[in-house]
Amino acid sequence: DQQVKQNSPSLSVQEGRISILNCDYTNSMFDYFLWYKKYPAEGPTFLISISSIKDKNEDGRFTVFLNKSAKHLSLHIVPSQPGDSAVYFCAASESTGNQFYFGTGTSLTVIP
Amino acid sequence: NAGVTQTPKFQVLKTGQSMTLQCAQDMNHNSMYWYRQDPGMGLRLIYYSASEGTTDKGEVPNGYNVSRLNKREFSLRLESAAPSQTSVYFCASVQGSYEQYFGPGTRLTVT
Repeated sequence: DQQVKQNSPSLSVQEGRISILNCDYTNSMFDYFLWYKKYPAEGPTFLISISSIKDKNEDGRFTVFLNKSAKHLSLHIVPSQPGDSAVYFCAASESTGNQFYFGTGTSLTVIP
Repeated sequence: NAGVTQTPKFQVLKTGQSMTLQCAQDMNHNSMYWYRQDPGMGLRLIYYSASEGTTDKGEVPNGYNVSRLNKREFSLRLESAAPSQTSVYFCASVQGSYEQYFGPGTRLTVT
Protein backbone atom coordinates (compact mmCIF):
# COMPACT_ATOMS: atom_id res chain seq x y z
CA ASP A 1 0.00 0.00 0.00
CA GLN A 2 1.39 3.38 -1.03
CA GLN A 3 2.36 5.30 2.10
CA VAL A 4 3.25 8.47 0.22
CA LYS A 5 0.92 9.73 -2.50
CA GLN A 6 1.14 12.41 -5.13
CA ASN A 7 -2.28 12.54 -6.68
CA SER A 8 -1.46 14.93 -9.50
CA PRO A 9 0.62 13.21 -12.19
CA SER A 10 1.18 16.48 -14.02
CA LEU A 11 0.96 20.23 -13.61
CA SER A 12 1.39 23.10 -16.08
CA VAL A 13 2.14 26.63 -14.93
CA GLN A 14 2.98 29.89 -16.69
CA GLU A 15 6.47 31.27 -16.18
CA GLY A 16 6.54 33.72 -13.27
CA ARG A 17 3.49 32.23 -11.56
CA ILE A 18 3.42 30.01 -8.49
CA SER A 19 3.69 26.22 -8.79
CA ILE A 20 2.15 24.20 -5.97
CA LEU A 21 2.90 20.49 -5.77
CA ASN A 22 1.09 18.37 -3.22
CA CYS A 23 1.89 15.22 -1.32
CA ASP A 24 -0.06 13.16 1.22
CA TYR A 25 1.16 10.45 3.55
CA THR A 26 -0.53 7.86 5.70
CA ASN A 27 2.11 6.83 8.25
CA SER A 28 1.99 9.06 11.35
CA MET A 29 5.48 7.86 12.31
CA PHE A 30 7.06 9.77 9.42
CA ASP A 31 8.93 12.76 10.80
CA TYR A 32 11.24 13.79 7.99
CA PHE A 33 10.10 14.82 4.53
CA LEU A 34 12.03 15.61 1.38
CA TRP A 35 11.44 16.83 -2.14
CA TYR A 36 13.54 15.67 -5.07
CA LYS A 37 13.71 16.97 -8.60
CA LYS A 38 14.39 14.70 -11.55
CA TYR A 39 15.30 15.59 -15.10
CA PRO A 40 15.00 12.98 -17.87
CA ALA A 41 17.90 10.50 -18.04
CA GLU A 42 19.32 11.72 -14.72
CA GLY A 43 19.04 10.58 -11.13
CA PRO A 44 16.86 12.50 -8.68
CA THR A 45 18.54 15.39 -6.89
CA PHE A 46 17.65 16.70 -3.47
CA LEU A 47 15.72 19.96 -3.43
CA ILE A 48 14.47 20.77 0.06
CA SER A 49 13.47 19.00 3.26
CA ILE A 50 11.47 19.60 6.41
CA SER A 51 11.43 18.04 9.84
CA SER A 52 8.15 17.41 11.62
CA ILE A 53 9.10 19.91 14.32
CA LYS A 54 8.61 22.66 11.72
CA ASP A 55 5.66 23.62 9.56
CA LYS A 56 7.59 25.58 6.96
CA ASN A 57 11.04 25.59 5.41
CA GLU A 58 12.22 28.05 2.81
CA ASP A 59 15.17 27.99 0.43
CA GLY A 60 15.20 30.72 -2.17
CA ARG A 61 12.28 30.24 -4.54
CA PHE A 62 11.30 26.95 -2.91
CA THR A 63 9.16 26.60 0.21
CA VAL A 64 7.85 23.41 1.74
CA PHE A 65 4.83 23.46 4.04
CA LEU A 66 3.92 20.64 6.39
CA ASN A 67 0.49 20.08 7.90
CA LYS A 68 0.94 17.19 10.30
CA SER A 69 -2.69 16.96 11.35
CA ALA A 70 -3.73 16.54 7.71
CA LYS A 71 -0.68 14.42 6.86
CA HIS A 72 -0.07 16.72 3.94
CA LEU A 73 2.90 18.60 2.58
CA SER A 74 3.26 20.93 -0.34
CA LEU A 75 6.08 22.45 -2.33
CA HIS A 76 5.70 26.04 -3.54
CA ILE A 77 7.91 27.39 -6.30
CA VAL A 78 7.77 31.16 -6.71
CA PRO A 79 8.34 32.45 -9.32
CA SER A 80 8.32 29.41 -11.57
CA GLN A 81 10.95 29.28 -14.30
CA PRO A 82 11.21 27.10 -17.44
CA GLY A 83 14.24 25.36 -15.91
CA ASP A 84 11.97 24.10 -13.13
CA SER A 85 10.27 21.79 -15.63
CA ALA A 86 11.00 18.32 -14.24
CA VAL A 87 9.42 15.49 -12.28
CA TYR A 88 9.16 16.19 -8.56
CA PHE A 89 9.07 13.39 -6.01
CA CYS A 90 8.20 13.75 -2.38
CA ALA A 91 9.66 11.28 0.09
CA ALA A 92 9.20 10.51 3.77
CA SER A 93 11.07 8.65 6.44
CA GLU A 94 11.18 7.95 10.13
CA SER A 95 14.29 9.55 11.59
CA THR A 96 14.95 6.36 13.56
CA GLY A 97 14.59 4.17 10.47
CA ASN A 98 16.59 3.52 7.35
CA GLN A 99 13.95 3.49 4.63
CA PHE A 100 12.63 6.30 2.49
CA TYR A 101 9.20 6.09 0.91
CA PHE A 102 8.60 7.93 -2.33
CA GLY A 103 5.50 9.23 -4.02
CA THR A 104 4.78 8.53 -7.67
CA GLY A 105 5.94 11.95 -8.82
CA THR A 106 4.40 15.05 -10.41
CA SER A 107 5.62 16.22 -13.80
CA LEU A 108 5.83 20.02 -13.76
CA THR A 109 5.89 21.96 -17.01
CA VAL A 110 6.61 25.68 -16.81
CA ILE A 111 5.43 27.41 -19.96
CA PRO A 112 7.53 30.37 -21.12
CA ASN B 1 34.48 13.76 -5.89
CA ALA B 2 32.25 11.73 -8.24
CA GLY B 3 29.36 11.17 -5.80
CA VAL B 4 27.43 8.03 -6.73
CA THR B 5 28.42 6.18 -9.89
CA GLN B 6 26.57 3.34 -11.60
CA THR B 7 27.59 0.93 -14.33
CA PRO B 8 26.46 0.14 -16.90
CA LYS B 9 24.27 3.02 -18.12
CA PHE B 10 22.30 0.81 -20.49
CA GLN B 11 21.82 -2.95 -20.78
CA VAL B 12 19.69 -5.27 -22.86
CA LEU B 13 19.23 -8.82 -21.62
CA LYS B 14 17.36 -11.83 -22.89
CA THR B 15 14.94 -13.58 -20.54
CA GLY B 16 16.85 -15.92 -18.26
CA GLN B 17 20.20 -14.15 -18.52
CA SER B 18 21.93 -12.84 -15.43
CA MET B 19 23.77 -9.63 -14.74
CA THR B 20 25.11 -7.46 -11.95
CA LEU B 21 24.56 -3.73 -11.64
CA GLN B 22 27.41 -1.95 -9.94
CA CYS B 23 27.22 1.07 -7.65
CA ALA B 24 29.94 2.97 -5.84
CA GLN B 25 29.96 6.10 -3.68
CA ASP B 26 32.89 8.20 -2.53
CA MET B 27 31.16 10.21 0.21
CA ASN B 28 31.87 7.77 3.04
CA HIS B 29 28.14 7.21 3.54
CA ASN B 30 27.01 4.33 5.70
CA SER B 31 23.72 3.52 3.97
CA MET B 32 23.16 2.53 0.36
CA TYR B 33 20.00 1.72 -1.57
CA TRP B 34 18.72 0.20 -4.80
CA TYR B 35 15.49 1.51 -6.32
CA ARG B 36 13.63 0.85 -9.50
CA GLN B 37 11.56 3.43 -11.30
CA ASP B 38 8.64 2.43 -13.46
CA PRO B 39 6.09 4.70 -15.17
CA GLY B 40 3.34 5.70 -12.75
CA MET B 41 4.99 3.82 -9.88
CA GLY B 42 7.54 6.27 -8.60
CA LEU B 43 10.69 4.97 -6.94
CA ARG B 44 10.33 1.60 -5.25
CA LEU B 45 12.94 0.25 -2.88
CA ILE B 46 14.43 -3.11 -3.84
CA TYR B 47 17.10 -3.60 -1.17
CA TYR B 48 19.12 -1.43 1.14
CA SER B 49 22.20 -1.68 3.27
CA ALA B 50 22.17 0.38 6.46
CA SER B 51 25.85 -0.26 7.08
CA GLU B 52 28.71 -2.31 5.76
CA GLY B 53 27.96 -6.00 6.27
CA THR B 54 24.16 -5.66 6.47
CA THR B 55 21.45 -5.84 3.83
CA ASP B 56 17.66 -5.76 4.09
CA LYS B 57 14.75 -6.25 1.76
CA GLY B 58 12.69 -3.32 0.60
CA GLU B 59 9.31 -3.19 -1.06
CA VAL B 60 10.09 -5.24 -4.21
CA PRO B 61 13.01 -7.64 -3.54
CA ASN B 62 11.81 -10.71 -5.48
CA GLY B 63 14.14 -11.70 -8.31
CA TYR B 64 17.08 -9.70 -6.97
CA ASN B 65 20.08 -10.23 -4.73
CA VAL B 66 22.53 -7.67 -3.36
CA SER B 67 26.05 -7.55 -2.01
CA ARG B 68 27.57 -4.82 0.12
CA LEU B 69 31.11 -5.46 -0.97
CA ASN B 70 32.62 -2.77 1.26
CA LYS B 71 31.59 0.66 2.50
CA ARG B 72 31.87 2.14 -0.99
CA GLU B 73 30.22 -0.51 -3.17
CA PHE B 74 26.75 -2.03 -3.31
CA SER B 75 25.85 -4.32 -6.21
CA LEU B 76 22.49 -5.60 -7.43
CA ARG B 77 22.25 -8.97 -9.15
CA LEU B 78 19.53 -10.35 -11.37
CA GLU B 79 20.01 -14.12 -11.43
CA SER B 80 17.45 -14.91 -14.13
CA ALA B 81 16.12 -11.78 -15.80
CA ALA B 82 12.42 -11.49 -16.62
CA PRO B 83 10.61 -8.92 -18.81
CA SER B 84 8.96 -7.57 -15.62
CA GLN B 85 12.40 -6.40 -14.53
CA THR B 86 12.61 -3.97 -17.42
CA SER B 87 13.04 -0.69 -15.59
CA VAL B 88 15.40 2.13 -14.68
CA TYR B 89 17.50 1.27 -11.65
CA PHE B 90 18.90 3.88 -9.31
CA CYS B 91 21.46 3.49 -6.60
CA ALA B 92 21.56 5.99 -3.73
CA SER B 93 23.55 6.63 -0.59
CA VAL B 94 22.87 8.64 2.55
CA GLN B 95 24.48 9.50 5.85
CA GLY B 96 21.98 9.29 8.69
CA SER B 97 18.42 10.38 8.00
CA TYR B 98 19.31 13.11 5.60
CA GLU B 99 18.94 13.53 1.88
CA GLN B 100 19.94 10.70 -0.42
CA TYR B 101 22.39 11.15 -3.24
CA PHE B 102 21.43 9.28 -6.38
CA GLY B 103 23.44 7.86 -9.21
CA PRO B 104 22.56 8.56 -12.85
CA GLY B 105 20.67 5.28 -13.27
CA THR B 106 20.89 2.10 -15.33
CA ARG B 107 18.28 1.57 -18.02
CA LEU B 108 17.63 -2.17 -18.30
CA THR B 109 15.54 -3.84 -20.98
CA VAL B 110 14.72 -7.55 -20.76
CA THR B 111 13.39 -9.08 -23.96
